[in-house]
Amino acid sequence: SQTIHQWPATLVQPVGSPLSLECTVEGTSNPNLYWYRQAAGRGLQLLFYSVGIGQISSEVPQNLSASRPQDRQFILSSKKLLLSDSGFYLCAWSSGGNIQYFGAGTRLSVL
Amino acid sequence: EDKVVQSPLSLVVHEGDTVTLNCSYEVTNFRSLLWYKQEKKAPTFLFMLTSSGIEKKSGRLSSILDKKELFSILNITATQTGDSAVYLCAGTLLNAGNNRKLIWGLGTSLAVNP
Repeated sequence: SQTIHQWPATLVQPVGSPLSLECTVEGTSNPNLYWYRQAAGRGLQLLFYSVGIGQISSEVPQNLSASRPQDRQFILSSKKLLLSDSGFYLCAWSSGGNIQYFGAGTRLSVL
Repeated sequence: EDKVVQSPLSLVVHEGDTVTLNCSYEVTNFRSLLWYKQEKKAPTFLFMLTSSGIEKKSGRLSSILDKKELFSILNITATQTGDSAVYLCAGTLLNAGNNRKLIWGLGTSLAVNP
């Protein structure tokens, strides 16, 4: 069966520091991968999605970037974090169909 | 602009009550309506609806889609404290690149009191 791993679970970072969040999927090949951010108001905002290695689509211009160095690995990065980058970050995968399956999420606090 | 609107935003009930959560959508190139349950962490998938009038059921939860009126409802009967969560609704669209994208509502926060 397919599983998705996301780490770390929580992260506290100072303003201006770099960020790297990693997500990996097991049990499937060539998944579509997604990064979302969920702010305190609960809404899920799509940040990036990828349909293949090296293929990244950005939904919202911002301080973050994403990369997909391997088929089942998706990385969210920032060179310098802002206070506004705080939030709950979720990675998800799909087989290309309608349903997306989510990782456990990373709660990021930028202080 | 594509959007999904859920109501109510929050709801408090007693154990044993029946609740109905609403989701209306305006999504171009609509493909499906999804319901998720989110407790402290990741949203977990509940239902996918693609056809009008066909009820999907899982235990005490059920859901139905009306593609003419562009809405869906999620019913929970005989609620339990374990049903306390945020329930998220999302519409799936097919974008210009032939990829599926989810348009999310803000969710309904359900609290079930003993």
